[in-house]
Amino acid sequence: SQQGEEDPQALSIQEGENATMNCSYKTSINNLQWYRQNSGRGLVHLILIRSNEREKHSGRLRVTLDTSKKSSSLLITASRAADTASYFCATAFTGTASKLTFGTGTRLQVTL
Amino acid sequence: GAGVSQSPSNKVTEKGKDVELRCDPISGHTALYWYRQRLGQGLEFLIYFQGNSAPDKSGLPSDRFSAERTGESVSTLTIQRTQQEDSAVYLCASSFRRGSGANVLTFGAGSRLTVL
Repeated sequence: SQQGEEDPQALSIQEGENATMNCSYKTSINNLQWYRQNSGRGLVHLILIRSNEREKHSGRLRVTLDTSKKSSSLLITASRAADTASYFCATAFTGTASKLTFGTGTRLQVTL
Repeated sequence: GAGVSQSPSNKVTEKGKDVELRCDPISGHTALYWYRQRLGQGLEFLIYFQGNSAPDKSGLPSDRFSAERTGESVSTLTIQRTQQEDSAVYLCASSFRRGSGANVLTFGAGSRLTVL
């Protein structure tokens, strides 16, 4: 399967701490995206990083991409209770750039 | 519309019945996707439509599943002779993609299907 895998599967931290989640994939990609899902319903796009980029920032989010290791990480700094959600990486593989394949997700719990 | 609209939001059906799930994408979005998400799991790709091109049906799990899309508008996902294993949230997403540009998806809220 080309599906990406996130780790950890679940992460529990206190408000104000940083949260790091990782995504690994198996074949070469055009780009990698991170999405957030609240309450098991629709996903919301967070950030996109292209295969020729190594790091990207958006507000409290920092994404890195290491194509040699076929992995990416999402860092959420100064977490808030409202960041509690599931986070998924999605990859557009070379040759199938139109189809986004999602990973298994990391469930983040931020407690007060 | 302003967002991707899916209906019904919840559907309970008996095993063996057919169901239709509807997706109304964002106006002007040329690409439309269907994904399935079982409880506590990731998203499983089902089918992808791009403009007038032939759809990518590589994710449909069996011939009981089919989907149609008329032009760049509404799509319907049909599941025939439903089985309990079909119980899941079915998510629709659309995007506006130019040429080889990246595909950023806008998701609907999903249709939760329960097969008794």
